[in-house]
Amino acid sequence: NAGVMQNPRHLVRRRGQEARLRCSPMKGHSHVYWYRQLPEEGLKFMVYLQKENIIDESGMPKERFSAEFPKEGPSILRIQQVVRGDSAAYFCASSPSRQGVETQYFGPGTRLLVL
Amino acid sequence: GESVGLHLPTLSVQEGDNSIINCAYSNSASDYFIWYKQESGKGPQFIIDIRSNMDKRQGQRVTVLLNKTVKHLSLQIAATQPGDSAVYFCAENYSGNTPLVFGKGTRLSVIA
Repeated sequence: NAGVMQNPRHLVRRRGQEARLRCSPMKGHSHVYWYRQLPEEGLKFMVYLQKENIIDESGMPKERFSAEFPKEGPSILRIQQVVRGDSAAYFCASSPSRQGVETQYFGPGTRLLVL
Repeated sequence: GESVGLHLPTLSVQEGDNSIINCAYSNSASDYFIWYKQESGKGPQFIIDIRSNMDKRQGQRVTVLLNKTVKHLSLQIAATQPGDSAVYFCAENYSGNTPLVFGKGTRLSVIA
């Protein structure tokens, strides 16, 4: 049973470009969460999705950031017009049911560097 | 001993000794707590969890203690090994469908 998959593992973008980060949850998991981590800091919640629904996006910036989890395929975190401050590690986690009830399992992360 | 570095507090222990990592959580309504281990360049890895109706839970070489009175959580690692070197995060959650909130993390360094 494969764990949470994320790709790419590393992504380099120039300011103003778009970044698309992909996450495939563990088999049987229908709940996906995205977190952001700056160096030497803890993870900060961004968004919580179920298939085709955004449940909680309270941690996601209102502009330039969007997330989706379509019926088929991976969850996508999209950052438009990236700025240097977007450089961070972005982690995806999945669980079989809603947050607070089941443990979340994390992927290896995507490290975004904005030049 | 324990010291506070520029960013993450660091705990240095001798191989074979026991480690105790502490965490103060913020929300008195939180009822679910998790410890994660994060090695360099990797995602957080689940270690152990505990619900608020318990004050102690044991796993393999690890024990989590919960003190709700002072909002304190600790992770005890028995017979610490070099492979335990990592950053350890506590996370809290209120089962009313709120996001996981992570603590700042503690770097554990095992001296062989």
